[in-house]
Amino acid sequence: DVKVTQSSRYLVKRTGEKVFLECVQDMDHENMFWYRQDPGLGLRLIYFSYDVKMKEKGDIPEGYSVSREKKERFSLILESASTNQTSMYLCAVHRQGIIYEQYFGPGTRLTVT
Amino acid sequence: AQSVTQPDIHITVSEGASLELRCNYSYGATPYLFWYVQSPGQGLQLLLKYFSGDTLVQGIKGFEAEFKRSQSSFNLRKPSVHWSDAAEYFCAVGSINNDMRFGAGTRLTVKP
Repeated sequence: DVKVTQSSRYLVKRTGEKVFLECVQDMDHENMFWYRQDPGLGLRLIYFSYDVKMKEKGDIPEGYSVSREKKERFSLILESASTNQTSMYLCAVHRQGIIYEQYFGPGTRLTVT
Repeated sequence: AQSVTQPDIHITVSEGASLELRCNYSYGATPYLFWYVQSPGQGLQLLLKYFSGDTLVQGIKGFEAEFKRSQSSFNLRKPSVHWSDAAEYFCAVGSINNDMRFGAGTRLTVKP
């Protein structure tokens, strides 16, 4: 099975801070995704990446950016954190070319105060 | 883009009773459909998936789901629920571009 690691399980930041959330996979999968999960809204796609240095906007990219300098690592960046970005953030990976299921990390619960 | 609707936000069933969780999708082409489960404090775990072929698919933990193209549905079922099935369940639809969209989730409570 693919192992997906996220840098922190819980994070508390102040409004206006720059926040980095990291996701690392232990396989050579091309596709990586960032979601946020909120009660009653399910998982919403923020950004995804098909390969190194490639990124695509998802449904709710505003206020976020991403970085993928190495294949195994995909970072989500909150340029200036706001309270409405308090949420659970989930990273997922899967293999390019064939429809596979996504493998998820444990999530990072971010609180912005 | 594709989309998913899970009409039931919260369902309560008694232990041993049967379960059906509803999922409706919207997608112009052949859908790739998934059910995931998330236990409290845990990540998402795949229960089952449908790509093509037999419309009744079996998954882990005794779950099954039936794809009905005419109804744009992919409902999850279990004949006898166990207390450990209490969790949140997400239906998802994938596209040929490998991106997925998830429903809002259904929270399952199991009464003893």
